[in-house]
Amino acid sequence: ETGVTQTPRHLVMGMTNKKSLKCEQHLGHNAMYWYKQSAKKPLELMFVYSLEERVENNSVPSRFSPECPNSSHLFLHLHTLQPEDSALYLCASSQEPGYEQYFGPGTRLTVT
Amino acid sequence: DQQVKQNSPSLSVQEGRISILNCDYTNSMFDYFLWYKKYPAEGPTFLISISSIKDKNEDGRFTVFLNKSAKHLSLHIVPSQPGDSAVYFCAASMRIKAAGNKLTFGGGTRVLVKP
Repeated sequence: ETGVTQTPRHLVMGMTNKKSLKCEQHLGHNAMYWYKQSAKKPLELMFVYSLEERVENNSVPSRFSPECPNSSHLFLHLHTLQPEDSALYLCASSQEPGYEQYFGPGTRLTVT
Repeated sequence: DQQVKQNSPSLSVQEGRISILNCDYTNSMFDYFLWYKKYPAEGPTFLISISSIKDKNEDGRFTVFLNKSAKHLSLHIVPSQPGDSAVYFCAASMRIKAAGNKLTFGGGTRVLVKP
């Protein structure tokens, strides 16, 4: 595997379900990010982890819970989501102190 | 309040001609700017970037221009090729505390290059 991978690519879940999105980067980077892209809206930053420490939480509701067990892996735990949370969730990584972020293919999430 | 704006949602250009994509920003704290390209069902791919201390950066067919006083940047693609058809996102970066950087994205411009 190369670059940034995300699983699953598609996910349909009910409002009472608990699920997790997984991201893995194979680039040796030390910072990882979660972004959300809703229909007809720009990409929005959700969380930033640098050296496995969360350094930014962009006013994201607590039903989204990130976890970064090591510099290569990032999870987004989902719990009691709402239909308006349906979106494309993108993971990215970068090498600090660089600026370029490299993105995974995304997980298309539908909440029913 | 959108801090990074791409006012043209779409652009159509003939193969071989120049494509010019524009982006405006409002926050003078941004210190680095990037362009990404996105194909359907894929994540954004980094294309080219520019530091706020420069006014031009060139990489092959792609050139980014930055006008700090106008808070405006543009991406020139010349010559345009059919494979350049994609959605292009402008992004502006700001450092977060001591580590990591925060990208703020524009809404994207869909480019169609006609053969």
